[in-house]
Amino acid sequence: NAGVTQTPKFQVLKTGQSMTLQCAQDMNHNSMYWYRQDPGMGLRLIYYSASEGTTDKGEVPNGYNVSRLNKREFSLRLESAAPSQTSVYFCASSPRIPGQGSSGANVLTFGAGSRLTVL
Amino acid sequence: AQTVTQSQPEMSVQEAETVTLSCTYDTSENNYYLFWYKQPPSRQMILVIRQEAYKQQNATENRFSVNFQKAAKSFSLKISDSQLGDTAMYFCALRVGSQGNLIFGKGTKLSVKP
Repeated sequence: NAGVTQTPKFQVLKTGQSMTLQCAQDMNHNSMYWYRQDPGMGLRLIYYSASEGTTDKGEVPNGYNVSRLNKREFSLRLESAAPSQTSVYFCASSPRIPGQGSSGANVLTFGAGSRLTVL
Repeated sequence: AQTVTQSQPEMSVQEAETVTLSCTYDTSENNYYLFWYKQPPSRQMILVIRQEAYKQQNATENRFSVNFQKAAKSFSLKISDSQLGDTAMYFCALRVGSQGNLIFGKGTKLSVKP
């Protein structure tokens, strides 16, 4: 059982290049999330998908797009990378639609992270 | 808006001793959940412990326990019998029942010294 799998683990881009971070979960979770982690800032939410077919902006969505391809997969795209997007990116998933179910439904399982450097 | 504040950027503790990490939060909701996540050098985010706001009893998981003071909006983590493997960044996080995402504090870097 792999849990949450992110690819690639490392990527170096030049300013203006585009790329897509892939995320897949095999836990039959409904909700999926993309966070970025910067030094001294904790994790900040970029976008999330409460359920298949829906996506919503988080705290720092500018410069990013997302696609919930199916229940398993949630991708994050940088159309024109900027140095300010240098960060570690985490995908996460949780079992149920937010606000429903037991506290177990509110636990997020994270991927291993993807380190992105934009030169 | 919800916020989470960790006021200790770095802490250290001797192996086998006890350490407490502080966290305060702010929300106007009554239905929420609190979490502590650990991030070792491997970068993996690992759930340490969770607390439902409606439960008065403090959560405990082996050597990890919390002191949940709802009125003060405080959620501290106590690590007993600290081990070298506890060396990591620790993040306090809040999840409001009507929303999906976790709101994180900025983290506390804990070093356990032999």
